[in-house]
Formats: sequence, structure tokens, C-alpha cells
Amino acid sequence: QVHLVQSGADVKKPGASVKVSCKASGYTFTGHAMHWVRQAPGQRLEWMGWINPGNGNTEYSQKLQGRVTITSDTSATTVYMELNSLRSEDTAVYYCARDRFASGDFDFWGQGTLVTVSS
Amino acid sequence: EIVLTQSPATLSLSPGDRATLSCRASQSVRRYLAWYQQKPGQAPRLLIYDASTRATGIPARFSGSGSGTDFTLTISSLEPDDFAVYYCQHRTNWPYTFGQGSKLDIK
Repeated sequence: QVHLVQSGADVKKPGASVKVSCKASGYTFTGHAMHWVRQAPGQRLEWMGWINPGNGNTEYSQKLQGRVTITSDTSATTVYMELNSLRSEDTAVYYCARDRFASGDFDFWGQGTLVTVSS
Repeated sequence: EIVLTQSPATLSLSPGDRATLSCRASQSVRRYLAWYQQKPGQAPRLLIYDASTRATGIPARFSGSGSGTDFTLTISSLEPDDFAVYYCQHRTNWPYTFGQGSKLDIK
């Protein structure tokens, strides 16, 4: 069965960077794109971007363009999301979510990673 | 950016009741709309995609309808496990966006 297991919670200072990992198993890793979605406290879900692990192509939300980088390691079946120049508003739970089938909706999700940005 | 607006913000019902949740898009999303259920401390769970297709393993009491700008998620007879927050999401173009959520709580 499909499993997406994310790295643990992290606390960062403003201006720092954070890198969250998402280890996939139970399916052909290169057969599905992977998205990142975040949820700040009391806020709606926010799509951040996606990667096609098959060819490395990426697309990012314009709001985060320049601060977010999504990469993948096919040998490790792991996707990474790095967010730079962190601000307090980046405090959120970050989720990886598998693309259902080149579709842009998300059929399996990681458990979430809480990133707290605080001085 | 397409804005999705959900209503009501909160719906208080009892087990066995019928629930109807709405999602309105600021411009047409054709039928490229999904619904998710989220419980406290958990990741969202895909219920419906392409406006009306149930995801794998989703009970038949969940149904979706609509196209263009107006969509509805209906739960025909509420089970205790259905009390949660529900989100809609479009995939028409980037950025994909979500509604602000509708909370279904027990009356």
C-alpha cells in the first residue's frame, strides 16, 4: 500500500532555511507527481508546488517563487521541499501529497510536518 | 488566481441527517473540482474528484455534483465518523487553490 512518511517537526529562526523530506513507498515512484501543500494555523490549505520525479520538472506557486525548491531522489524514493528566508508567516504544517494521475488532485498524503518559525 | 468560497462555514447536524456543503468558484473550473475531508491532527483525505467521482474506498453516502462555478458535496445520512472539516480544491490551472473549509459538527 502507498505510504508517504515525512521528516519530523522543526523549529527555525527567521531568515533561516528548512528542508522537509517525504519518503514514498508502495508504488512506482516515478509514475506520479508529488505536491507540497501547507496549512498555517487557522488558515486554508495552500498549494506550494509540485515535482515530476520521472523527469525532475517542477512548478511553483508564484507567491513562493524564489523561496521554495522541490527536488527528488529517485534512488531513495524521496521528495524534498526546501523553503528559504523563513518568516513567522511560514509557521505551518507542511504536507507532501501524491498526484492521483497527472491530474492535480491528491490521493495520498504524508502525515504532515510542523515547521515553527520563531526568534 | 481562482478563489473558492465555501458555505456554510459551520453546519450543525445530527447522525442520520443529510448534509449539503457548497463551493463556489470565482471563475469556471469546468468539472476540475475535488473534495477532501480533514479531521483534527490528520492529513486531508480525498473524497471526490472531477466534481462527482468518488475516490477509491469512499462510501456511497458521499456524492458530488456541479460544474462551472457552483458545486455541492452531499452526505446522504451522516455517520458519527463524518463530523470533520471539508475542503474543496480546483485543478484548472496553477496555482491550485482550496476553499476555506466547512466544519460539520454534531448538533
